[in-house]
Amino acid sequence: GENVEQHPSTLSVQEGDSAVIKCTYSDSASNYFPWYKQELGKRPQLIIDIRSNVGEKKDQRIAVTLNKTAKHFSLHITETQPEDSAVYFCAAGAGGTSYGKLTFGQGTILTVHP
Amino acid sequence: NAGVMQNPRHLVRRRGQEARLRCSPMKGHSHVYWYRQLPEEGLKFMVYLQKENIIDESGMPKERFSAEFPKEGPSILRIQQVVRGDSAAYFCASSLGQAEAFFGQGTRLTVV
Repeated sequence: GENVEQHPSTLSVQEGDSAVIKCTYSDSASNYFPWYKQELGKRPQLIIDIRSNVGEKKDQRIAVTLNKTAKHFSLHITETQPEDSAVYFCAAGAGGTSYGKLTFGQGTILTVHP
Repeated sequence: NAGVMQNPRHLVRRRGQEARLRCSPMKGHSHVYWYRQLPEEGLKFMVYLQKENIIDESGMPKERFSAEFPKEGPSILRIQQVVRGDSAAYFCASSLGQAEAFFGQGTRLTVV
């Protein structure tokens, strides 16, 4: 089955700096790569996703890159703000008719210091 | 449009009791997924259902756990004879199928 590795497990940055979280996956059949943000005690919220026919996607301060050959994808957050502090999860799935069946990474605790 | 609704938010059960977790998907969504999250860990896929059908239960423990998504009403995740190791947050997600999945607020199960 699919295996997703996520690094780093914790990340501490100063407000205004950039943050980068990296993930690798094992199953070449994976075609869908979402990122979720989870605040303490709350639901995972989809912040951005990318499909395998695209190499990069950007939404305001958030961008995701995908390298299918190397089987890795990354989340980039620019101009970080304290409210970006949360746990971030990458995930991988086959897409198709089951976008919700995902293998998640272990999570990255992001702390943005004012 | 209400999001994915799960209830109860918190559930306390004694060892050996049954736990029933409910999930109402977003309006129009017919695909439901259940995940378990242990403290300070990622989410682990359990089961994928469409109306009246289990599509993929590869992540479900072989015993004590079952899930259904009837034609009418919410999806139910049922855990029989709970043990302390079942204590976790259980999240439900729904999607249209070929589109992103949205998660509910989760049910935090504590087994005492």
